Amino acid sequence: DAGVIQSPRHEVTEMGQEVTLRCKPISGHNSLFWYRQTMMRGLELLIYFNNNVPIDDSGMPEDRFSAKMPNASFSTLKIQPSEPRDSAVYFCASSSRTGGSLGSPLHFGNGTRLTVT
Amino acid sequence: GNSVTQMEGPVTLSEEAFLTINCTYTATGYPSLFWYVQYPGEGLQLLLKATKADDKGSNKGFEATYRKETTSFHLEKGSVQVSDSAVYFCALRDDKIIFGKGTRLHILP
Repeated sequence: DAGVIQSPRHEVTEMGQEVTLRCKPISGHNSLFWYRQTMMRGLELLIYFNNNVPIDDSGMPEDRFSAKMPNASFSTLKIQPSEPRDSAVYFCASSSRTGGSLGSPLHFGNGTRLTVT
Repeated sequence: GNSVTQMEGPVTLSEEAFLTINCTYTATGYPSLFWYVQYPGEGLQLLLKATKADDKGSNKGFEATYRKETTSFHLEKGSVQVSDSAVYFCALRDDKIIFGKGTRLHILP
């Protein structure tokens, strides 16, 4: 299994530009999570999906952030317009949500390091 | 709401020392508990887990026991190695996963 795949690994953009981060979860996993990691705030859950449906987006900072999961094998996190304070590492993770789901661990991608200048 | 509190780092130890990283949680219901490890430039990796009270998770010499009476899940290792240097996260899952802030561990040769 290739694991969770995120792209790009690094993104440098100017303030005001649109940024799109991509994630391919592990095949067969039906829960997908987007996290943001910074030194100041640690690891923050932004949004998660079960069976492609957004369940909890209370962690999305503001309307500039949006996430979609059009099918079971792809998700995007979009920031429009981007701001310097959005600079962080963004992680995607997937998990199985079948029987005994509370014990199912998350599998993380290697993250996208976003720098907004 | 549910939360996880773990000891702040950084923690610096000499090789072969005994390690404890404290983790306590608050939760309604009966969550599963996890320890994850993050190496530089990588995502988090599952280290061990426990799904019910008194369960002990173990992996690579690390252990943690799910203590419901003290709402704790402390991580221990009897003899650390330089290669254990990383950031360690305690987490609970009651549908979504909630992480602690992480503890950076630095092992000196």
